[in-house]
Amino acid sequence: SQQGEEDPQALSIQEGENATMNCSYKTSINNLQWYRQNSGRGLVHLILIRSNEREKHSGRLRVTLDTSKKSSSLLITASRAADTASYFCATPYTGANSKLTFGKGITLSVRP
Amino acid sequence: DAGVIQSPRHEVTEMGQEVTLRCKPISGHDYLFWYRQTMMRGLELLIYFNNNVPIDDSGMPEDRFSAKMPNASFSTLKIQPSEPRDSAVYFCASSSTSAEQYFGPGTRLTVT
Repeated sequence: SQQGEEDPQALSIQEGENATMNCSYKTSINNLQWYRQNSGRGLVHLILIRSNEREKHSGRLRVTLDTSKKSSSLLITASRAADTASYFCATPYTGANSKLTFGKGITLSVRP
Repeated sequence: DAGVIQSPRHEVTEMGQEVTLRCKPISGHDYLFWYRQTMMRGLELLIYFNNNVPIDDSGMPEDRFSAKMPNASFSTLKIQPSEPRDSAVYFCASSSTSAEQYFGPGTRLTVT
């Protein structure tokens, strides 16, 4: 069964607005990752946050991790049309950190 | 580096035919992963290798699927015989650690 579940499934916003996407997971993890997939392309790694970190930034991306609630959020600030893509959270399998399980993804549409 | 290279990018074949998908990982990476992505099931891990050795093939759907990694720079995923339900996008990814993975552009397989 899939570990990470993203929410919402789809999000449509205006360019310049912020986009917040959430991920919940079921078991203890040592890290959580976010990936982006543009239409017809492979996934691209965005950011990794470790279990001992609460917040991490990378450019316009801000990721938080709440291990007590087993949840993470990805915030994209000042969104651009080029941010239109699917976003996935991924967590390692329990006992097999090399393997990742991906959620179904969030489809983000940024209207120009 | 050119990134993860996959070939072919598109494959259309008839049911019952053999299909071979190819992957060249990023040089120096010692993990290689094969995934399948469909609208219904999302992104599924089929098999992964560490230092050319298959570690976990529990995601391989049936005996019709097989994967090899004869050396550090090449892997194949073979489906024999192919069936219409095998139609999907197949991704190869590589990693130098058990953390972030780098995905290829994928092979879109259509079995008629």
